[in-house]
Amino acid sequence: KNEVEQSPQNLTAQEGEFITINCSYSVGISALHWLQQHPGGGIVSLFMLSSGKKKHGRLIATINIQEKHSSLHITASHPRDSAVYICAVDRAGNMLTFGGGTRLMVKP
Amino acid sequence: KAGVTQTPRYLIKTRGQQVTLSCSPISGHRSVSWYQQTPGQGLQFLFEYFSETQRNKGNFPGRFSGRQFSNSRSEMNVSTLELGDSALYLCASSLGTGTGANVLTFGAGSRLTVL
Repeated sequence: KNEVEQSPQNLTAQEGEFITINCSYSVGISALHWLQQHPGGGIVSLFMLSSGKKKHGRLIATINIQEKHSSLHITASHPRDSAVYICAVDRAGNMLTFGGGTRLMVKP
Repeated sequence: KAGVTQTPRYLIKTRGQQVTLSCSPISGHRSVSWYQQTPGQGLQFLFEYFSETQRNKGNFPGRFSGRQFSNSRSEMNVSTLELGDSALYLCASSLGTGTGANVLTFGAGSRLTVL
């Protein structure tokens, strides 16, 4: 079993829909990262969480340390949100273990 | 301010050769970490450097090595290239201070093809 599991693997949504991507992990962590990767490979850090909830624009990330679970929500989704979203847990010193990614496509 | 710069962006090598990739972090960032991304294995941690010292290393063979210079720029080297080393190599920089996690800024990556 992978230490970091993401679901779903693929997600297609209509513009405007509310989107949730889930991440479960089985190891102790110092923080959890949500990353976005566009075609071409560049990765952008969206959030780094060690507890609670963070919001940035239309994106919201939550983490439940006791349940070892995190969610990334996108409100009012837009085609430009189409990308691969990756959950990664930080065990120590940027030693990240990555989930398999969620490929999101938002259709106009 | 300038972002994380990786060079070269693309390169093609043949089996048995070696390759050196470079990563220049954001000014003031002292930690540089390296990751490999392949279609089969996804993203995997290679190693992390802070103040010229390797702090953490992933589960990769000794053919993969790295170093960090006094200006925080980092290089990684892969010797005796294998076909399976074809991948996107990403580096990320962060402040690296303290014991907690740091926000990472990624470079655009170096795409290596081994023929």
